[in-house]
Amino acid sequence: AQTVTQSQPEMSVQEAETVTLSCTYDTSESDYYLFWYKQPPSRQMILVIRQEAYKQQNATENRFSVNFQKAAKSFSLKISDSQLGDAAMYFCAYRSAELNNNAGNMLTFGGGTRLMVKP
Amino acid sequence: GAGVSQTPSNKVTEKGKYVELRCDPISGHTALYWYRQSLGQGPEFLIYFQGTGAADDSGLPNDRFFAVRPEGSVSTLKIQRTERGDSAVYLCASRYLRGSAYGYTFGSGTRLTVV
Repeated sequence: AQTVTQSQPEMSVQEAETVTLSCTYDTSESDYYLFWYKQPPSRQMILVIRQEAYKQQNATENRFSVNFQKAAKSFSLKISDSQLGDAAMYFCAYRSAELNNNAGNMLTFGGGTRLMVKP
Repeated sequence: GAGVSQTPSNKVTEKGKYVELRCDPISGHTALYWYRQSLGQGPEFLIYFQGTGAADDSGLPNDRFFAVRPEGSVSTLKIQRTERGDSAVYLCASRYLRGSAYGYTFGSGTRLTVV
């Protein structure tokens, strides 16, 4: 079974600064997908960024980018120019790429990191 | 609808009572998932529906939990003889394309409190 670990329960960043959230995972699979989700107080999970394991290039979405280290099974999220609206819980998630495996259709989440943004 | 709708938003029930939580997915989404998120933790998988059938119910904690999706759209998560440990946010997500890695849409969850 796959596991996802987020070792930082809380992180704090000054507005306009950069912060990096850590995520490690454990899997025996070679093909999979990784995600970062944001969960504001409204509770709805919002996709921030995704990465396919077969792609070496790190994904980027505006102020959000990842550092994907496949050999180290590490998937960190960098938020640049932090904004007050970035304050939320952030979850790293894993999904198998095996299409015929029922378990591959679900997301496995880490325990989350609470990000606080100071004005 | 435009998004995944979950009702009620909050539910307080007494220990031992029966509760039903409803999820109305995006129209046309064939895959539907239920997750449970305990306080301070990440969501944990409960059950996955592909159409009307439960393709994977390995995450259901015990036989007090049951879920249905009779017409392949709305799903109901049912919890019998509720216990205080069942208190959590229950999230629902739906997805259109089987096998697609993307396109999960989550609802805002139901916060269940068992007193």
